[in-house]
Amino acid sequence: QIMLTQQAESLWISPGERVSITCRASQSLLYTDGKHYLSWYQQRPGQTTKALIYHASVRTDGVPTRFIGSGSGTEFTLSIEHVQPEDFAIYYCLQTLKSPLTFGSGTKLEIK
Amino acid sequence: QVTLKESGPGILQPSQTLSLTCTFSGFSLSTYGMGVGWIRQPSGKGLEWLANIWWDDDKYYNPSLKNRLTISKDTSNNQAFLKITNVDTADTATYYCARIILGYFDFWGPGTMVTVSS
Repeated sequence: QIMLTQQAESLWISPGERVSITCRASQSLLYTDGKHYLSWYQQRPGQTTKALIYHASVRTDGVPTRFIGSGSGTEFTLSIEHVQPEDFAIYYCLQTLKSPLTFGSGTKLEIK
Repeated sequence: QVTLKESGPGILQPSQTLSLTCTFSGFSLSTYGMGVGWIRQPSGKGLEWLANIWWDDDKYYNPSLKNRLTISKDTSNNQAFLKITNVDTADTATYYCARIILGYFDFWGPGTMVTVSS
């Protein structure tokens, strides 16, 4: 199965700063259609899990432009510019290229 | 407006069968390209994908749960189901259903907590 590694279990930053969360796959997530099957999700206490990014870099409807997905092959990054108080949450990457689908272990964004 | 909501027994005993229902609205599981998946999360831990079912009744399972999973759907009533046989304490978790489209889970339910305890 494809393993996803999110190296950082936690990241401490101050509101207004920029942060990058990385996700490394054990093999390329590029499909023959030219898309990478890597998506990002946000979990906040008491809220439903929210999809932020799909195909590595496409923001889902309504997601603020400060959330930026990038990367290709096996290395992917979720960047958040000018972090807002509501962005302190846990972020997961997910690959849907091959079954079984696999999630990264999650990165918790914490207030410094 | 797409919504999903999970329901389950809350608590059950080891060796029993866990039956979960996902009731959704705003889309049809008979529409080309549409799917519903099940994901679970033990308290304080990460997400684990369990199974997907597609508009054409194609099904995919996480092999880590071997042959314990069965996913199904009732298209006319906008529901999807997951059964897990022979549960034990390791199956204690919050269980989520989510719509899958374009290769990602775009809408998630709030989850239902399941505790396996004797």
